[in-house]
Amino acid sequence: ELKVEQNPLFLSMQEGKNYTIYCNYSTTSDRLYWYRQDPGKSLESLFVLLSNGAVKQEGRLMASLDTKARLSTLHITAAVHDLSATYFCAVDGSSNTGKLIFGQGTTLQVKP
Amino acid sequence: SQTIHQWPATLVQPVGSPLSLECTVEGTSNPNLYWYRQAAGRGLQLLFYSVGIGQISSEVPQNLSASRPQDRQFILSSKKLLLSDSGFYLCAWSRQKNTEAFFGQGTRLTVV
Repeated sequence: ELKVEQNPLFLSMQEGKNYTIYCNYSTTSDRLYWYRQDPGKSLESLFVLLSNGAVKQEGRLMASLDTKARLSTLHITAAVHDLSATYFCAVDGSSNTGKLIFGQGTTLQVKP
Repeated sequence: SQTIHQWPATLVQPVGSPLSLECTVEGTSNPNLYWYRQAAGRGLQLLFYSVGIGQISSEVPQNLSASRPQDRQFILSSKKLLLSDSGFYLCAWSRQKNTEAFFGQGTRLTVV
């Protein structure tokens, strides 16, 4: 059974600081996704990582994928309050159906 | 462009009452369709997925059912709601061979 675990589950940080969220998964997969969820809202797609070594950046967020280590990271650079949200990673559970297995989510709180 | 519509946005239902949540996708054909549930403060759990009309796969045993009467329509139902059915329900779609999922706005269901 595919399991996806995020670490940490809650992160409180000051504006301007850097931090990394980790996503580990238990079985082989070469597709990993990062989503953002604002309180009470739906999920917004942030990054799609489709191969080993993939790195994508958007603004202050950068995501990477190491399929050999079964690890993805979401790095936050010089955090700002607008980045406060819950971040989910998700792994493709089946190439035929597109089922996504989600991590527990990491709630990020950026304090001014 | 593709859009996904989900309604209603919020719903308060008494225990034992029926449920029908509807989701439609526009701008694409033959999508994979998914129903997820998110309990308060937790991650997403895949409930059902469908790869075509009339084809439904259930991921977890429960009090709910799903149907896909048309290519771009996905319905989540229950004959008798339980308190434990409360949560945030999200419909999503993906292309058949590209598994990035796009989410609807969600339905917040409270069973009282």
